Amino acid sequence: DGGITQSPKYLFRKEGQNVTLSCEQNLNHDAMYWYRQDPGQGLRLIYYSQIVNDFQKGDIAEGYSVSREKKESFPLTVTSAQKNPTAFYLCASSGQGAYEQYFGPGTRLTVT
Amino acid sequence: AQRVTQPEKLLSVFKGAPVELKCNYSYSGSPELFWYVQYSRQRLQLLLRHISRESIKGFTADLNKGETSFHLKKPFAQEEDSAMYYCALSGLGTSYDKVIFGPGTSLSVIP
Repeated sequence: DGGITQSPKYLFRKEGQNVTLSCEQNLNHDAMYWYRQDPGQGLRLIYYSQIVNDFQKGDIAEGYSVSREKKESFPLTVTSAQKNPTAFYLCASSGQGAYEQYFGPGTRLTVT
Repeated sequence: AQRVTQPEKLLSVFKGAPVELKCNYSYSGSPELFWYVQYSRQRLQLLLRHISRESIKGFTADLNKGETSFHLKKPFAQEEDSAMYYCALSGLGTSYDKVIFGPGTSLSVIP
């Protein structure tokens, strides 16, 4: 299962700590996305990036930050400002002219 | 405002029965509609998109612009169809427009 990877699979943090989730793709896709998946709410877009060194806020960007220094990588930092960080986080990518998004396996973050 | 709604959180059908998962959308431009599926312990993946007009795993979906709907249908449900289904919307003609997902419908096919 290559293509797009996320690590770690499970992550535990104490309240007040920042944490960074990794997302890497070897599909040569220009666009990358971060979603949060909560039961009953579907997927909500946090941030997306259409090209290296550029990114846009999604619908629920508050308390999150991203960077896109390399085409292959789009890490997400969950900061202590995020009020309810415990969730399942999905990363996705898509290629030029293609609308299909390819998803990673996800990272389940638990903050206590 | 761009929005996707899926009125059913849970849908249970018997094996062999027809199934229809409802999806309605609101979008000011020309939309591209998708259905994504997430089987247990697997990644979220594309099932079908309206522009390709394909039938995948026996599922079809027709875009009805008048009713702004994109319902997913299968004439005879199978146990392996049990999964979480998400309807999604993007702007047609924009390469990297954000995709808006609905809240999802969990389909359970009863043997």
